Amino acid sequence: ETGVTQSPTHLIKTRGQQVTLRCSSQSGHNTVSWYQQALGQGPQFIFQYYREEENGRGNFPPRFSGLQFPNYSSELNVNALELDDSALYLCASSLAPGQGTDTQYFGPGTRLTVL
Amino acid sequence: DQQVKQNSPSLSVQEGRISILNCDYTNSMFDYFLWYKKYPAEGPTFLISISSIKDKNEDGRFTVFLNKSAKHLSLHIVPSQPGDSAVYFCAAKAYSGAGSYQLTFGKGTKLSVIP
Repeated sequence: ETGVTQSPTHLIKTRGQQVTLRCSSQSGHNTVSWYQQALGQGPQFIFQYYREEENGRGNFPPRFSGLQFPNYSSELNVNALELDDSALYLCASSLAPGQGTDTQYFGPGTRLTVL
Repeated sequence: DQQVKQNSPSLSVQEGRISILNCDYTNSMFDYFLWYKKYPAEGPTFLISISSIKDKNEDGRFTVFLNKSAKHLSLHIVPSQPGDSAVYFCAAKAYSGAGSYQLTFGKGTKLSVIP
């Protein structure tokens, strides 16, 4: 059974550019959640995807968007990058959309630096 | 408005002694609580969880206590080992609409276990 994987590991972009981050969920998991972790903070919920549809969103602007594919892998897209978007982006997969005792399992993250 | 608070940014404990990490929350809609451990350059790793209908859950050296009336939970690690040195995040789960449950994290407590 493979765990959650993310790519790339590190990324450097400049202000105004667009970025795509990728996540492969753990085997058997159909739900993917994305989090942003700024330095010194806890992870902050961006959105969740279940069966290829967005299934809940945190307090992030529309320039943060995502996709989920039939194999349950997912992408996070960020347009018009700002300096404050510099953070560790974490992907987590789970068996179902967080019902009851379902647990989210995290990938290693992608470190995004915006210059 | 921080709904999950970990008021101690850091904690140092001697090897073999008890480590107690604390977490307070404000949202009474939270119905499930989790602790994650995070090493540098890795994603958070699930450690232990507790449902709001229980007041204690134990797994080996790790015990989580929940005091609903005080909106407080704590993680006890006994005995503490040097390999437990990491950042510990408290997280709480609540229904966020449209069939989605969302995790809200605290800022984390850095535990250092001194040999």
